[in-house]
Amino acid sequence: AQSVTQLGSHVSVSEGALVLLRCNYSSSVPPYLFWYVQYPNQGLQLLLKYTSAATLVKGINGFEAEFKKSETSFHLTKPSAHMRDAAEYFCAVSPLQGAQKLVFGQGTRLTINP
Amino acid sequence: GAGVSQSPSNKVTEKGKDVELRCDPISGHTALYWYRQSLGQGLEFLIYFQGNSAPDKSGLPSDRFSAERTGGSVSTLTIQRTQQEDSAVYLCASSDPQGPHTEAFFGQGTRLTVV
Repeated sequence: AQSVTQLGSHVSVSEGALVLLRCNYSSSVPPYLFWYVQYPNQGLQLLLKYTSAATLVKGINGFEAEFKKSETSFHLTKPSAHMRDAAEYFCAVSPLQGAQKLVFGQGTRLTINP
Repeated sequence: GAGVSQSPSNKVTEKGKDVELRCDPISGHTALYWYRQSLGQGLEFLIYFQGNSAPDKSGLPSDRFSAERTGGSVSTLTIQRTQQEDSAVYLCASSDPQGPHTEAFFGQGTRLTVV
């Protein structure tokens, strides 16, 4: 069984500062890992995904995430926050093999201060 | 279609009435999910369909909730005898677990308001 823990339901950073959103997963088999973003009053869209290729994954809007097996983590980072990054971010996991469902974390709301 | 389509986009219903929410997944996607998102909350898993396998109904909150998927494509989520606490955005997603794009693609959701 898989599970995801997102540390911090709310994160607030200043514009231009580093963004770090934490995600730890639990999986009995090699995982696929995903980050989704939900802008206000919109649906979820994929930000980036890890599928067992490179451990450092680059996504849209300058975000990237690093898969660290030893730490069972897949933290999301962006070097310099923009006001438009204010949104809800969800981490998700699914098994690498087989057709099994995605499991989502509870989400982290990112606020950007001017 | 090009994306996951949900209808209606908004639904206001009176307490005690039944409602049906529809999801048209991306063509060829064998997996289909329903989630619920209450105001300011995360994603609450409701039900998962994968191909011809028995659906995973472990997230349905009560027996008032049911869902079906006909012909491996369109899905309908039915809520009977709606209650005010059912008010939320209901999100549908589909994916192709065996293909190159294993991520879930989400629809825009149906905003349900029970008055």
